[in-house]
Amino acid sequence: NAGVMQNPRHLVRRRGQEARLRCSPMKGHSHVYWYRQLPEEGLKFMVYLQKENIIDESGMPKERFSAEFPKEGPSILRIQQVVRGDSAAYFCASSPSGQNFDTQYFGPGTRLTVL
Amino acid sequence: AQSVSQHNHHVILSEAASLELGCNYSYGGTVNLFWYVQYPGQHLQLLLKYFSGDPLVKGIKGFEAEFIKSKFSFNLRKPSVQWSDTAEYFCAVAPSGQGGKLIFGQGTELSVKP
Repeated sequence: NAGVMQNPRHLVRRRGQEARLRCSPMKGHSHVYWYRQLPEEGLKFMVYLQKENIIDESGMPKERFSAEFPKEGPSILRIQQVVRGDSAAYFCASSPSGQNFDTQYFGPGTRLTVL
Repeated sequence: AQSVSQHNHHVILSEAASLELGCNYSYGGTVNLFWYVQYPGQHLQLLLKYFSGDPLVKGIKGFEAEFIKSKFSFNLRKPSVQWSDTAEYFCAVAPSGQGGKLIFGQGTELSVKP
């Protein structure tokens, strides 16, 4: 039973480029969460999605960041016109029901470096 | 604002020593509480969680945590650590009515010397 998959594991972008991070949830899970971990900090919630719906995007920066979870395929976190401050580890997690007692299962993360 | 505070950034222990990692949260409503662990080079994985019932929760690998509602705390304990417990430990809170999103503490790095 495959766990949460994220790709790429490492991504290097120059300032101004776009970054696309992908997350495939565990089989049977339709709830996806994205978190960002800046150096020396804990994980910060960004967005919560169900299939074709954004449920909570209260942690997303207002500009340049967007997320989707289409009916088919992985969830995508997209960062346009990246800046050095976007350098971080981005983690995706999935859960079966989106209830607050659910265990979230985490992927290995994508480490984004902006040059 | 909702927040989670872990008291220690880095803890160094010798094998067989006892461990207690502090975690406090600020939120007035009902919460579910989690401890996650990240071993070197591995994914975050669940260590234990509390959502109802007995406030003393037992998890994997001999870890336990106690929810003290009056103190807004959920401290993690292990009576005797092993070198293999070297990892980063994260406390997290899921406030009720917020769709399961987790609010994490900043993490505690545990180093166990053989």
